[in-house]
Amino acid sequence: NAGVTQTPKFQVLKTGQSMTLQCAQDMNHEYMSWYRQDPGMGLRLIHYSVGAGITDQGEVPNGYNVSRSTTEDFPLRLLSAAPSQTSVYFCASSRTGYGYTFGSGTRLTVV
Amino acid sequence: AQSVTQLGSHVSVSEGALVLLRCNYSSSVPPYLFWYVQYPNQGLQLLLKYTTGATLVKGINGFEAEFKKSETSFHLTKPSAHMSDAAEYFCAVRNQAGTALIFGKGTTLSVSS
Repeated sequence: NAGVTQTPKFQVLKTGQSMTLQCAQDMNHEYMSWYRQDPGMGLRLIHYSVGAGITDQGEVPNGYNVSRSTTEDFPLRLLSAAPSQTSVYFCASSRTGYGYTFGSGTRLTVV
Repeated sequence: AQSVTQLGSHVSVSEGALVLLRCNYSSSVPPYLFWYVQYPNQGLQLLLKYTTGATLVKGINGFEAEFKKSETSFHLTKPSAHMSDAAEYFCAVRNQAGTALIFGKGTTLSVSS
């Protein structure tokens, strides 16, 4: 099925560990973005990309790295996880900015 | 810079009553506005969006929203609430570059019988 696929769905990390949240889309969308959702805070933009090789920071980029080597994939890296990064993470893609398709999310707990 | 304010973090209505969820935005360019719904432990589902053209936008599940430029508002309404409407609702505006969304903090809708 066409759409945005996020893996894993759930993850528990220890403080200081690193990991990569995967996001892939098969709709040939140029724009991709990462958000984190915290209670009472809505969704906040972490990083976004306008195409392969081009990324930029959003509202809350600290502690996260991204790269975009292909149109399809936009992984989010946590280099040294902290408890403050416990959250639900959503990836989204869009062709032209007229509509955004979201993945089902990754629930991350850092202990 | 773009921003969204959702008035009321929690709204409670009775089944059959009018639903009104408020959203005000700030945008340095003509806004593209969106409403999403999130059911417990699920992802985001698009309810409706405004890009250009008609200011009254109809969405899924009987919801609609009206874009009012003079009031910088995009309130979500439904004439008659159902129990199944209980969820969290997010208003969003496209960022200036058009590459991502800026969300409000969300409104939780409770529906009682």
